[in-house]
Amino acid sequence: EPEVTQTPSHQVTQMGQEVILRCVPISNHLYFYWYRQILGQKVEFLVSFYNNEISEKSEIFDDQFSVERPDGSNFTLKIRSTKLEDSAMYFCASSEMASGIAEQFFGPGTRLTVL
Amino acid sequence: ILNVEQSPQSLHVQEGDSTNFTCSFPSSNFYALHWYRWETAKSPEALFVMTLNGDEKKKGRISATLNTKEGYSYLYIKGSQPEDSATYLCAFKSAGNKLTFGGGTRVLVKP
Repeated sequence: EPEVTQTPSHQVTQMGQEVILRCVPISNHLYFYWYRQILGQKVEFLVSFYNNEISEKSEIFDDQFSVERPDGSNFTLKIRSTKLEDSAMYFCASSEMASGIAEQFFGPGTRLTVL
Repeated sequence: ILNVEQSPQSLHVQEGDSTNFTCSFPSSNFYALHWYRWETAKSPEALFVMTLNGDEKKKGRISATLNTKEGYSYLYIKGSQPEDSATYLCAFKSAGNKLTFGGGTRVLVKP
């Protein structure tokens, strides 16, 4: 069964460093998403991406964040200068469509720890 | 700010017993309500996508109902088994692409 994969499973970085989190969405999906969950809090939306453009972003997704689909298979989230409060589990998701009924398929997450 | 709440936060169920828990969401601008099952260290797994008021969906021993007018959904587990132990997340979808998640209900089924 097709699945969304994410690498690495755990990333530890120093405050101020750049990190790139990688995702391989399901191959025939066209819509891609990043969510995150800070420990003890709800899963929260960061950004959605379609046709090589950001289609929606939350207020969390400021200039420190960027997303890219560098080739036909990968979807990346870059944090330019990490802060302590960026420590969270980051989930990538993909869907065939963007409609309400479209299922979003999630990867297993990357746990980012900023020291 | 959309508010999606789940209760209880956690519950313990004896194997073989049935249980249910709630997701409440805004009753306006409703597009869909998603339910996910999430086991630690695994990907959240989609259970149901519900769109119509009064809808009921079933997958094995797990079922869900939807009331969009009052803004709630129930998820039921019949005859709980240890493998049902997981966190169950609901997520509200309005216009746009994003899902707004509740805090989850953590279910522990005791043998």
